[in-house]
Amino acid sequence: DVKVTQSSRYLVKRTGEKVFLECVQDMDHENMFWYRQDPGLGLRLIYFSYDVKMKEKGDIPEGYSVSREKKERFSLILESASTNQTSMYLCASSLVGVHYGYTFGSGTRLTVV
Amino acid sequence: GDSVTQMEGPVTLSEEAFLTINCTYTATGYPSLFWYVQYPGEGLQLLLKATKADDKGSNKGFEATYRKETTSFHLEKGSVQVSDSAVYFCALNEGGSNYKLTFGKGTLLTVNP
Repeated sequence: DVKVTQSSRYLVKRTGEKVFLECVQDMDHENMFWYRQDPGLGLRLIYFSYDVKMKEKGDIPEGYSVSREKKERFSLILESASTNQTSMYLCASSLVGVHYGYTFGSGTRLTVV
Repeated sequence: GDSVTQMEGPVTLSEEAFLTINCTYTATGYPSLFWYVQYPGEGLQLLLKATKADDKGSNKGFEATYRKETTSFHLEKGSVQVSDSAVYFCALNEGGSNYKLTFGKGTLLTVNP
């Protein structure tokens, strides 16, 4: 089975800190994604990457950046954490093709205080 | 563009009741369709999928049939259990934009004993 591993389940950070969320997948998937999930708003795409060093903005990229130096690892960076970035963050990966869905990690619940 | 519309929740049922969660979609081509489930505090898991018209996806007693004529992919289960309490997401993959999925907003299901 494909596994997508997010480095932390729960994280508490202070306002203004630089925060790194790490995601690793073990099945050679080309695509990787970062979403945030908030009550009543569903899943919102922050960034995605379709190849090493390649990235594209999703629907809500402001305040975030990403890094993909190796195919298996996709990092989400909060440049200066703010309280409105308190959320559940979900990483996912997929093969390229219309028949493929995503494999998700377990999520990171980030609280910014 | 592509879109997915799910019935709004929450849905509350008694154990052993019949479940239907409606999902309709808008797409210009021939998408693959997916149902994901998210248990409390967890990431999303693929529940079932269908890749062409009239296909039926099934898993863990859940079923959904890809109906191209009505652009629908309704999720059904004949007898729900308390353990089925979760949020259910319908999604499609039409292949554009590097094969990103388009998700519905999710439907919360609560099953009472």
